[in-house]
Amino acid sequence: NAGVMQNPRHLVRRRGQEARLRCSPMKGHSHVYWYRQLPEEGLKFMVYLQKENIIDESGMPKERFSAEFPKEGPSILRIQQVVRGDSAAYFCASSPFTTDTQYFGPGTRLTVL
Amino acid sequence: AQKITQTQPGMFVQEKEAVTLDCTYDTSDQSYGLFWYKQPSSGEMIFLIYQGSYDEQNATEGRYSLNFQKARKSANLVISASQLGDSAMYFCAMRGAWDTGTASKLTFGTGTRLQVTL
Repeated sequence: NAGVMQNPRHLVRRRGQEARLRCSPMKGHSHVYWYRQLPEEGLKFMVYLQKENIIDESGMPKERFSAEFPKEGPSILRIQQVVRGDSAAYFCASSPFTTDTQYFGPGTRLTVL
Repeated sequence: AQKITQTQPGMFVQEKEAVTLDCTYDTSDQSYGLFWYKQPSSGEMIFLIYQGSYDEQNATEGRYSLNFQKARKSANLVISASQLGDSAMYFCAMRGAWDTGTASKLTFGTGTRLQVTL
């Protein structure tokens, strides 16, 4: 009865590199959400996806950030040309239906040097 | 737009005592949901309890209960018989309604850090 899986748990990148964060939802969940938590703050919504579809990306920065949830495999949050301000914890959540409780993964802590 | 306000940055409670963590919300949606999550020092987000806006009874889950006062737009979390393992950050969150496009995203407060002492 595995929960939401995220990897890596910790990721260090130098400025200008790419970061790829992976999320496997709970079994039976087809809705995936990504959130970002800056130090000492609450979580901020980034994007909501279903298989092969981006449903709501209203919280995604306009540049450098993208997300996908392919038919097979995990959801990926991709950050190109990372900057120091991208350092944060990135959480993935999943739910069986849109308005159901979202269950969170352990997060990926991204540090940009 | 949805807004969650948690006015207590930090709280202390003695072991075995009850504690109330405050949460007020603002929304113009008729239908919405309220959640509490716990974030221990290890960093994961743990779901605790959910209250729907049309639920007439306050939600309870073990030692957690949600004191829902709709007219006051408050959704306080009550933890009874506190334990040392309850020491963590606690976040209140809400989702909105389908017709306003906010059903799929949670809005979080800034959190309350709870410290349980002996």
